[in-house]
Amino acid sequence: QKEVEQNSGPLSVPEGAIASLNCTYSDRVSQSFFWYRQYSGKSPELIMSIYSNGDKEDGRFTAQLNKASQYVSLLIRDSQPSDSATYLCAVKSGGGADGLTFGKGTHLIIQP
Amino acid sequence: DAGVTQSPTHLIKTRGQQVTLRCSPKSGHDTVSWYQQALGQGPQFIFQYYEEEERQRGNFPDRFSGHQFPNYSSELNVNALLLGDSALYLCASSLEDNEQFFGPGTRLTVL
Repeated sequence: QKEVEQNSGPLSVPEGAIASLNCTYSDRVSQSFFWYRQYSGKSPELIMSIYSNGDKEDGRFTAQLNKASQYVSLLIRDSQPSDSATYLCAVKSGGGADGLTFGKGTHLIIQP
Repeated sequence: DAGVTQSPTHLIKTRGQQVTLRCSPKSGHDTVSWYQQALGQGPQFIFQYYEEEERQRGNFPDRFSGHQFPNYSSELNVNALLLGDSALYLCASSLEDNEQFFGPGTRLTVL
């Protein structure tokens, strides 16, 4: 059974600080990793994808992957109140047809 | 460039009824995946369609079925509705096995 674990929060971070979101996964053959942002009452929005060990930066967002530790993280620099949302970690196994396995999400609150 | 669209936005049904939800993928995408998201949970994978065939299925009963049309649009059908089927149903489109982009979802309430 593939599992993706996230701390449900809420995680409260002051405006302008760095928000750090973490995710662990159980399936060692997982190949692709994604972070989605979901505002209350809306659908998930893809913000980052990462496929190899190390860091990947896109604007204020940095995704970090450590396959040996089965650990994925998302850093949000210069956090803004508009970053307040639930962040979903999703994992996909190797190539071929495969749905995403999601964690339950971390609720992030940016305090003005 | 239109994104993923879904219809209807909201739906109310009673137990035992049947429902059909519809999805049009993002332009250029050929693969459609369906997910169920209960309140406070992450989305759960139902199944994926590619080239008009179900390619993979998650842990959902046969009451959940689907179809993909030649224009890549897709339908999700749920028979014999249960109270527990109340959820947000999400469609995601992708180009083969690449990144998945979600539509706005259909909120289904079963009374």
